[in-house]
Amino acid sequence: SAVISQKPSRDICQRGTSLTIQCQVDSQVTMMFWYRQQPGQSLTLIATANQGSEATYESGFVIDKFPISRPNLTFSTLTVSNMSPEDSSIYLCSVQTPGPDRQPQHFGDGTRLSIL
Amino acid sequence: AQTVTQSQPEMSVQEAETVTLSCTYDTSESDYYLFWYKQPPSRQMILVIRQEAYKQQNATENRFSVNFQKAAKSFSLKISDSQLGDAAMYFCAYRSARGANAGKSTFGDGTTLTVKP
Repeated sequence: SAVISQKPSRDICQRGTSLTIQCQVDSQVTMMFWYRQQPGQSLTLIATANQGSEATYESGFVIDKFPISRPNLTFSTLTVSNMSPEDSSIYLCSVQTPGPDRQPQHFGDGTRLSIL
Repeated sequence: AQTVTQSQPEMSVQEAETVTLSCTYDTSESDYYLFWYKQPPSRQMILVIRQEAYKQQNATENRFSVNFQKAAKSFSLKISDSQLGDAAMYFCAYRSARGANAGKSTFGDGTTLTVKP
C-alpha cells in the first residue's frame, strides 16, 4: 500500500483567491488522480496527473481552473483558481501503486475547502 | 461511459445483524474491477473489498462479502454481524482494466449506513 500525505487538511478562503493543495506519496506510483467530493455527494474525477506532462482533464474540468503539476512519481499539486462558493468541497488525491491492475486506489485524507 | 448506481441513499441495521447494500453498473467492457469503499466521518476512503470481473467466485473479507452477478451487472455488499464501527458512507466503484479509461474509477452516489446499538 501507499501512505499519502495531503496538505492542507482544510482551509477557508476568500472568493477570487487561489489555493494549491499538495499530495506527497511515500513510494513511486504509476497513476495519480484528483477527485472532488461536494458535500454529501460522491467522488468526481477532476483529472489524471501525468508525470512530466500536462494533466488529462475530465469533462467539465479545465486546466485554467484546476492547474495540476506532477514533477515526479511521488508528488503532485492541484490548484483551485479564482475560487467561488461553488468550489467548496473536499478535494482528494488518489494513487495507484505499481503491481497487478486489480490493486485498489489509495486515497489521501482529503482537503476540506470552504470559500466565503 | 460507465455508470454506477447505488439505489439506497440510506440504510440502517441493528448491531450484530446482517445488511446488504446494492450496487448496479452499466458498461460495455468485459474486463474491469469492482470495489467497495467505506468513508467514515473522518472522510478517509478505506477499501472494504474488491472483485475482478473475470472471477466467478464472490470475494469475501471476514464479515464482508459480495454477490457479484456479472450478467445482471450487479455487485452487492453484505455485512454480517454488523458492528458500530461499520457506520459510514459506502461507495461502490467501477474501474476499467483496459483502454483509454484504464485505471480510472467511477463511483456511485454512496449509501449511508447507520448501525443501531
